[in-house]
Amino acid sequence: QKEVEQNSGPLSVPEGAIASLNCTYSDRGSQSFFWYRQYSGKSPELIMFIYSNGDKEDGRFTAQLNKASQYVSLLIRDSQPSDSATYLCAATTHFGNEKLTFGTGTRLTIIP
Amino acid sequence: GAGVSQSPSNKVTEKGKDVELRCDPISGHTALYWYRQSLGQGLEFLIYFQGNSAPDKSGLPSDRFSAERTGGSVSTLTIQRTQQEDSAVYLCASSQGQGIGMYEQYFGPGTRLTVT
Repeated sequence: QKEVEQNSGPLSVPEGAIASLNCTYSDRGSQSFFWYRQYSGKSPELIMFIYSNGDKEDGRFTAQLNKASQYVSLLIRDSQPSDSATYLCAATTHFGNEKLTFGTGTRLTIIP
Repeated sequence: GAGVSQSPSNKVTEKGKDVELRCDPISGHTALYWYRQSLGQGLEFLIYFQGNSAPDKSGLPSDRFSAERTGGSVSTLTIQRTQQEDSAVYLCASSQGQGIGMYEQYFGPGTRLTVT
């Protein structure tokens, strides 16, 4: 079982709709969770991080964390074609410097 | 300010040759990380530096791989006797320090290594 799992997709969402990206993790010691966006041929770009149960909003993006269910999600409201990318979920087990454990990513396509 | 920089951006080498990949972290960032991403694969952790020390080398795939960091800044990842399976994009990231809001990792553009 992989430590961080994501549905590889592709996930297709109409422009203007809400895109929902999901991630589960197996290590109950995981404390912090990160969402990165990666365009084809580019390096990962940090979108959000979350470490408390509940929702965290930043513009069109909302991260949700449920530690009891070991589940993290990213919602993208008012999806735009420029949101088309691979979204990577990552976790760490401390509130500090240590390696990120990544999922394999979900490819999102926004359909105009 | 300037982000993480890496050089070269692309490297083609023959099997059996040694290669050096360089990473310049964001100024003031104390932690530096190396990952690699193979075609169609997720990001795989290689090594982490705090200052010039490497508390976690658990991801280095073999003793052909080594890394160092000097002056708490630039890091070099060396791959000796390269093999075709070493072909990947090697990504460097840095983070500011300990504590909430300071340990997010920011990635450089990567070095695409092709071993022929």
